[in-house]
Amino acid sequence: EPEVTQTPSHQVTQMGQEVILRCVPISNHLYFYWYRQILGQKVEFLVSFYNNEISEKSEIFDDQFSVERPDGSNFTLKIRSTKLEDSAMYFCASTPGLAGAGQETQYFGPGTRLLVL
Amino acid sequence: GDSVTQMEGPVTLSEEAFLTINCTYTATGYPSLFWYVQYPGEGLQLLLKATKADDKGSNKGFEATYRKETTSFHLEKGSVQVSDSAVYFCALIGFNDYKLSFGAGTTVTVRA
Repeated sequence: EPEVTQTPSHQVTQMGQEVILRCVPISNHLYFYWYRQILGQKVEFLVSFYNNEISEKSEIFDDQFSVERPDGSNFTLKIRSTKLEDSAMYFCASTPGLAGAGQETQYFGPGTRLLVL
Repeated sequence: GDSVTQMEGPVTLSEEAFLTINCTYTATGYPSLFWYVQYPGEGLQLLLKATKADDKGSNKGFEATYRKETTSFHLEKGSVQVSDSAVYFCALIGFNDYKLSFGAGTTVTVRA
């Protein structure tokens, strides 16, 4: 069964450094997402991406964050200058379509655990 | 905006006990409702979903019914196993929306 994959599974970085988290969505999916989960807290939406542009972003997704689909398979989240509070599990997800079209189920990757020191 | 309120845990049960996790939601229109499960050290897996009122989602012995009149989507399982120990998240997505809104999660521990 197709699945969303993410690399790396764990990343440790120094405060102020740039990190790039990588995701390979399911191949025929059109909508891509990033969420994060700070330890012990709820899963929070960061950004959605469709047709090579951001379709929605949360207030968490400030200028330090960016997303890109550099080729036909990868979807990346870049944090330009990491802060301590960016330490979290980051999940990538994808869907073939939107809610209302019967294609609303988001399939999640296993996550990347980011630790900022 | 859309939101999900979920029963707080942790919940500790003995094997073969009955499990209920309450979930209520606030949303405009007709959202789709989901339960996701996160096993220790793993990512989020879809457990079940319902896309319209009175739909019942079911999987692995778990069930939840979309109740529009009470804006609820409570998760139930009649006889839990140790392998059901996990964190359970209720979530919704609005019609033609992009983002999932999650509840806080309920940690369930099942003891043999």
